Amino acid sequence: NAGVTQTPKFQVLKTGQSMTLQCAQDMNHNSMYWYRQDPGMGLRLIYYSASEGTTDKGEVPNGYNVSRLNKREFSLRLESAAPSQTSVYFCASSAGWAVSNQPQHFGDGTRLSIL
Amino acid sequence: GNSVTQMEGPVTLSEEAFLTINCTYTATGYPSLFWYVQYPGEGLQLLLKATKADDKGSNKGFEATYRKETTSFHLEKGSVQVSDSAVYFCALSDQSRGSNYKLTFGKGTLLTVNP
Repeated sequence: NAGVTQTPKFQVLKTGQSMTLQCAQDMNHNSMYWYRQDPGMGLRLIYYSASEGTTDKGEVPNGYNVSRLNKREFSLRLESAAPSQTSVYFCASSAGWAVSNQPQHFGDGTRLSIL
Repeated sequence: GNSVTQMEGPVTLSEEAFLTINCTYTATGYPSLFWYVQYPGEGLQLLLKATKADDKGSNKGFEATYRKETTSFHLEKGSVQVSDSAVYFCALSDQSRGSNYKLTFGKGTLLTVNP
């Protein structure tokens, strides 16, 4: 089972460049999430989509945009990359509102460096 | 708001030693509680969960009990192995209506087990 698939796995950008991180899940989950992981900070929620057609800001949304393309796919876009956005980005999904007490399932991450 | 505090690492143990990683939480409602594990270079995997007070989650020899009176969910294992070396995250999920089941994470505890 693929679960949650993120692409690319690694990326190096220059300051000011843009890029889109892709995420797809094959578990028929309603909710999807984007996190960033930084040393000593744990995981911080950037944006989430509780269900297809909705998106909401998380704890650290500035500098990012998201698109819930369909039920399977949830992309994260950096319009003008900054060195402070160097991080490891994780996508996750869960059954969400449909089933309570269910965990989130995570992808393997995208390691992004901005020079 | 919700918050999770877990003991700071790193924690270094010898093989077969007893492990405790402390986790306490603050929540407005009745959260579900989770422990996730992250092996080097990978995403987060659910280790165990508990959904109500006095529940005990267990998996792979790890255990944690949901203690409402002390707002704690400490992770324990009686005899650790080298293969348990990883980062461990405590997390809570707000189960109240409208919360969208977002996870709040602790900052993570790095465990290293030496042979």
